[in-house]
Amino acid sequence: GQNIDQPTEMTATEGAIVQINCTYQTSGFNGLFWYQQHAGEAPTFLSYNVLDGLEEKGRFSSFLSRSKGYSYLLLKELQMKDSASYLCAVKDRSNYQLIWGAGTKLIIKP
Amino acid sequence: KAGVTQTPRYLIKTRGQQVTLSCSPISGHRSVSWYQQTPGQGLQFLFEYFSETQRNKGNFPGRFSGRQFSNSRSEMNVSTLELGDSALYLCASRGAGEDEKLFFGSGTQLSVL
Repeated sequence: GQNIDQPTEMTATEGAIVQINCTYQTSGFNGLFWYQQHAGEAPTFLSYNVLDGLEEKGRFSSFLSRSKGYSYLLLKELQMKDSASYLCAVKDRSNYQLIWGAGTKLIIKP
Repeated sequence: KAGVTQTPRYLIKTRGQQVTLSCSPISGHRSVSWYQQTPGQGLQFLFEYFSETQRNKGNFPGRFSGRQFSNSRSEMNVSTLELGDSALYLCASRGAGEDEKLFFGSGTQLSVL
């Protein structure tokens, strides 16, 4: 079956580092996305991984291991504005649809 | 460049009614997809339109339908509303050569009483 798992909620301290994990099971894999969604706002694109490895983009990095069905989003030097939900989505090659995780609510404390 | 625009922002309806939601994609984007978002669940794919044709469809009942116009604007219709249809409905557009990146609107929050 198709399944995306990510923690429901995480808490971290301003200035620290946090890693949000995402594991997936799909019938076919064609890329993994991370989106950020602030409460009451539209999801916005963060990263797209197709190949294994780490991709760094400023304070945010995303890692993918296709053999393990695993990805993580790494946020460094956390700021209060990083408080948001982080959505993991996998593109299923069998039907080209995006399968979404339920999202991880990240709470940043001073 | 204006972003994806969804109207209305909020809607309150009663069971049995029908509703139409509107989405205007980013200028030049021909692909529009619709998602349902409820607390504790991932985004659920409804359908995708490209150049006025439905290209893909999720696992929703026939009460959920959509269409796309020649200017790429899209509408979604839900008939015979049920309490369980209460959700945030998100529209996303995608352009050619955008590496599959979706641009979302702020959504329409539908409450069914």
